[in-house]
Amino acid sequence: AQSVTQLDSQVPVFEEAPVELRCNYSSSVSVYLFWYVQYPNQGLQLLLKYLSGSTLVKGINGFEAEFNKSQTSFHLRKPSVHISDTAEYFCAVSPYGQNFVFGPGTRLSVLP
Amino acid sequence: NAGVTQTPKFRILKIGQSMTLQCAQDMNHNYMYWYRQDPGMGLKLIYYSVGAGITDKGEVPNGYNVSRSTTEDFPLRLELAAPSQTSVYFCASKLGQISGANVLTFGAGSRLTVL
Repeated sequence: AQSVTQLDSQVPVFEEAPVELRCNYSSSVSVYLFWYVQYPNQGLQLLLKYLSGSTLVKGINGFEAEFNKSQTSFHLRKPSVHISDTAEYFCAVSPYGQNFVFGPGTRLSVLP
Repeated sequence: NAGVTQTPKFRILKIGQSMTLQCAQDMNHNYMYWYRQDPGMGLKLIYYSVGAGITDKGEVPNGYNVSRSTTEDFPLRLELAAPSQTSVYFCASKLGQISGANVLTFGAGSRLTVL
């Protein structure tokens, strides 16, 4: 079975500061990896995905994530956040086409 | 192109009532899913379908039923609503299992309160 851990339930950060949201997973098989973002009172939107190839993947709104197979991590980063990045962020894994498993989410609050 | 459409957006039920949450997608996706989202718990899979006429239980199926008579529609039925079913429900779909097809598209959600 797969599991996803997001170590920080809440991350406050000042505007224009860098941010890293951590994600670790457990799986006995290879997985696809995803970050989704949920703005207040909305559904989830795909931020970025790792399917294969380069371990550094870039997504929308200036976010990027790096897949580290040895550490089973897929941390999300942004060098300079904006107020509009305030949202909840979910890490998810899908073992090669099987059902997705989501982490509990990290609430990012960007402060002026 | 509407994507995944869920109705209603909000609903209040009394204990013991029944209702159906509707989900429709216009992307010709084979796979469809129902999740519930509770604070601090992430998303839990209720039921899923890999194609018309095929459904299967997810992690938390008790108290729910689904059907998939067409590729487009995947309604979720709540029988005998209980306060524990107060949650936000999300429908999602994807085209396939391999590589770029294995990406979920979500609806906007349905907020259900059972009193």
